[in-house]
Amino acid sequence: AQSVTQLDSHVSVSEGTPVLLRCNYSSSYSPSLFWYVQHPNKGLQLLLKYTSAATLVKGINGFEAEFKKSETSFHLTKPSAHMSDAAEYFCVHSSTSGTYKYIFGTGTRLKVLA
Amino acid sequence: GAVVSQHPSRVICKSGTSVKIECRSLDFQATTMFWYRQFPKKSLMLMATSNEGSKATYEQGVEKDKFLINHASLTLSTLTVTSAHPEDSSFYICSARDRQGISQPQHFGDGTRLSIL
Repeated sequence: AQSVTQLDSHVSVSEGTPVLLRCNYSSSYSPSLFWYVQHPNKGLQLLLKYTSAATLVKGINGFEAEFKKSETSFHLTKPSAHMSDAAEYFCVHSSTSGTYKYIFGTGTRLKVLA
Repeated sequence: GAVVSQHPSRVICKSGTSVKIECRSLDFQATTMFWYRQFPKKSLMLMATSNEGSKATYEQGVEKDKFLINHASLTLSTLTVTSAHPEDSSFYICSARDRQGISQPQHFGDGTRLSIL
């Protein structure tokens, strides 16, 4: 069965320090993985996606994610946190069903300290 | 590109009222749209898949008669919460893909905050 696990429900970092948000997936085939960000009372905004073209994926706002098949991981990173990065982040996996429904992780709330 | 617009952003109404939420794809056509519900500090829960010109596909446990979905055109899907009660209060979000395929991302609307008094 396909699944997504976000290992940390909350992460706090100081402004200007690196961000690491962890995501592990379970899939019997080559997965399609996404990271989204959600600010309060807003929808989800796509940060980046992995679709097997390259293992290191660059996204918007300085975020990157590296696909590691051996570790079944797709962790999200950013070299330097900004106050505006404080939000909820979701790791998502597309299922193989006909409509390719999303399988969501439980989310990680990122707090950025001044 | 690939903008999904949702309206209204917030609605407050009395118990027993029916509420309609619109989801529009502004710059692309969408044969399929998705409706989610999000509880406070929780992840998104898929309620149903809206299919243009045919019946929606509901997830297990979602009441079809409570949450009516209509997808009458390739750019508009509506969710009607019928006879809403306080327990229906939640954040509802829609999404759609501008291209078909497992690797194509869903694009999300900004959500509708529904509060039933």
